[in-house]
Amino acid sequence: KNQVEQSPQSLIILEGKNCTLQCNYTVSPFSNLRWYKQDTGRGPVSLTIMTFSENTKSNGRYTATLDADTKQSSLHITASQLSDSASYICVVSAGSSASKIIFGSGTRLSIRP
Amino acid sequence: NAGVMQNPRHLVRRRGQEARLRCSPMKGHSHVYWYRQLPEEGLKFMVYLQKENIIDESGMPKERFSAEFPKEGPSILRIQQVVRGDSAAYFCASSSTQGDYNEQFFGPGTRLTVL
Repeated sequence: KNQVEQSPQSLIILEGKNCTLQCNYTVSPFSNLRWYKQDTGRGPVSLTIMTFSENTKSNGRYTATLDADTKQSSLHITASQLSDSASYICVVSAGSSASKIIFGSGTRLSIRP
Repeated sequence: NAGVMQNPRHLVRRRGQEARLRCSPMKGHSHVYWYRQLPEEGLKFMVYLQKENIIDESGMPKERFSAEFPKEGPSILRIQQVVRGDSAAYFCASSSTQGDYNEQFFGPGTRLTVL
C-alpha cells in the first residue's frame, strides 16, 4: 500500500534555531517527492521537488534531502523565523496520474520568540 | 495574476442539504484537482478535471459527490444530501499541464461544516 509517514507530528522550537523534519514513504513506483508548506487557513505551497536522481535541493533556508534507497527524505530549516510556523507536508508521486500523488499528514511546526 | 480562488471559504450545511464548492483556477490553467482534508490527516485526492472532461475520479465517493469544470466558469464540487462525515476542508489545485513535474497551485480551501 502506498503510504507517506511524517515525523514528528508536531514540533516547537525557538526562533533562530534549526530543525529537521522527517518523511518515510512506501510509494512504488517512485516518481518524485515534494515538500509543501501550509500556513493555517491556506492551501499548500511547494517548497522543493526532487526526482530519483537528486539527493538534495535547497530553497533559501529550506534544504530537502532524499535517500531513494532507504525511501527517506528530510527537510532542514535553518535559522528559523516566526513566519516558518506552519504545517510541512511531504508528498510523493507514484507516476503521472493525479490519483497516484500521496500526501503525508504533515508536521506542525511552531516557532516561539 | 490572481492565484487559485475558492469560495465560499466557510460553508455550513445541515444534514440532507446540498453543498456547492467553487474553484477558479489560475489564469491560463486548464487542469483542476480537488482534494479533501480531514482533521489531522493528509490531503486525499478526489477528482481531476480538464475543461468539460473528468479525467480521473477514482478518489471520489460513488454516491452524492459530483464535479464539473464547464467551458466557461469555475469548477464545481457538488455534495448532495450532506452527512456529518462530509465535514472537512476541500482544496482545489490547478496546473497548466498534467504530468509528474508540473506544479499544482492550491487555493485557500473551503471548510465545510455539517451540523
